[in-house]
Amino acid sequence: DVKVTQSSRYLVKRTGEKVFLECVQDMDHENMFWYRQDPGLGLRLIYFSYDVKMKEKGDIPEGYSVSREKKERFSLILESASTNQTSMYLCASSRSGGFDEQFFGPGTRLTVL
Amino acid sequence: DAKTTQPTSMDCAEGRAANLPCNHSTISGNEYVYWYRQIHSQGPQYIIHGLKNNETNEMASLIITEDRKSSTLILPHATLRDTAVYYCIVRVAKSAGGGNKLTFGTGTQLKVEL
Repeated sequence: DVKVTQSSRYLVKRTGEKVFLECVQDMDHENMFWYRQDPGLGLRLIYFSYDVKMKEKGDIPEGYSVSREKKERFSLILESASTNQTSMYLCASSRSGGFDEQFFGPGTRLTVL
Repeated sequence: DAKTTQPTSMDCAEGRAANLPCNHSTISGNEYVYWYRQIHSQGPQYIIHGLKNNETNEMASLIITEDRKSSTLILPHATLRDTAVYYCIVRVAKSAGGGNKLTFGTGTQLKVEL
């Protein structure tokens, strides 16, 4: 069974802390994505990666960075967390190729106090 | 990628067909229509996609109008477990790299009731 896992379901951090969100997929997918989801705004793409050590900005990259040192792992980093980064964070992966579906993890609900 | 318009919410009786509409009047010739759904507290799940022909799989059917400006996702026999937010997404199909990123709107909240 294909799977995308995220390191935490719930996370509470303080303003200014450095936060790491980890995502691991076991499908040998080339592409990995980080989204955030907020009420009324839908899912918005933060960053994506189409290969190891490769990354591209999505629609809302400000305040975030990413790391992809291994094919199966894609990390989202909040260098200095702020309250407006309180959100649900979703990771996804897909094979390279035009039509391939994205497989999503269960999400991490991050609260920044 | 073309913008889509969906109703905010819909209700459906269990066992009946759920027909979820999507308008994508600015769709271009190389853009596909994708449907995903998100059950509460889970990540989105792929349902189906199509270019211009109608498509069917074990989950749903996708009907695309001849002018491709709108489409309908059909769940033939809705169950309570189909209660979810359904997203219609239009995007080009690209062969590699970040081409298959998805732009999600706010979707349609489908509520299936007894």
